[in-house]
Amino acid sequence: DSGVTQTPKHLITATGQRVTLRCSPRSGDLSVYWYQQSLDQGLQFLIQYYNGEERAKGNILERFSAQQFPDLHSELNLSSLELGDSALYFCASCQGANTGELFFGEGSRLTVL
Amino acid sequence: GENVEQHPSTLSVQEGDSAVIKCTYSDSASNYFPWYKQELGKGPQLIIDIRSNVGEKKDQRIAVTLNKTAKHFSLHITETQPEDSAVYFCAASTDSGYALNFGKGTSLLVTP
Repeated sequence: DSGVTQTPKHLITATGQRVTLRCSPRSGDLSVYWYQQSLDQGLQFLIQYYNGEERAKGNILERFSAQQFPDLHSELNLSSLELGDSALYFCASCQGANTGELFFGEGSRLTVL
Repeated sequence: GENVEQHPSTLSVQEGDSAVIKCTYSDSASNYFPWYKQELGKGPQLIIDIRSNVGEKKDQRIAVTLNKTAKHFSLHITETQPEDSAVYFCAASTDSGYALNFGKGTSLLVTP
């Protein structure tokens, strides 16, 4: 158990809909990262938050947004969903702002029909 | 940005044999190179990492080598066991932080 909690584990929705994925980092970790894992693209970095502030952006679509709350949990919002958004979304946390060992949750599997 | 290439995409070995996975990176400023193991239904987990001031690092049956000049690094697993079967990801990043850039993964199968 990594100590990172993600909900929901599975989510099935229709095209055009909006979903929110939730992540609780390990106790004491200030950084939260979101990654998208699809079969052909591997692990793609989406966005990083550190202590409530956005710190880095990767290949995140404009239809996607995220935030980190004062209690350090984070949410990833995916809107106007398309079939191609079906993937496993991972949250990872680490203690500091800079890259060190990332602790991954078990992921949220999103299926868009 | 950083681009990490990983080979092979699949690897099958007999139990007891060695397995080698290779990665190349593009950003010469990268200086942190971790390897993650992902078992079925789980998130990736760090198994070993190396920084650019070190050429090789070992941890029991696992070793990582780094060639900064050639911009490539490799994972070596000796005396493989069926429980080593998983997807392995290499990654690279710089000390200035930001995120790990992952390779596309290698699916390792160790057959008894």
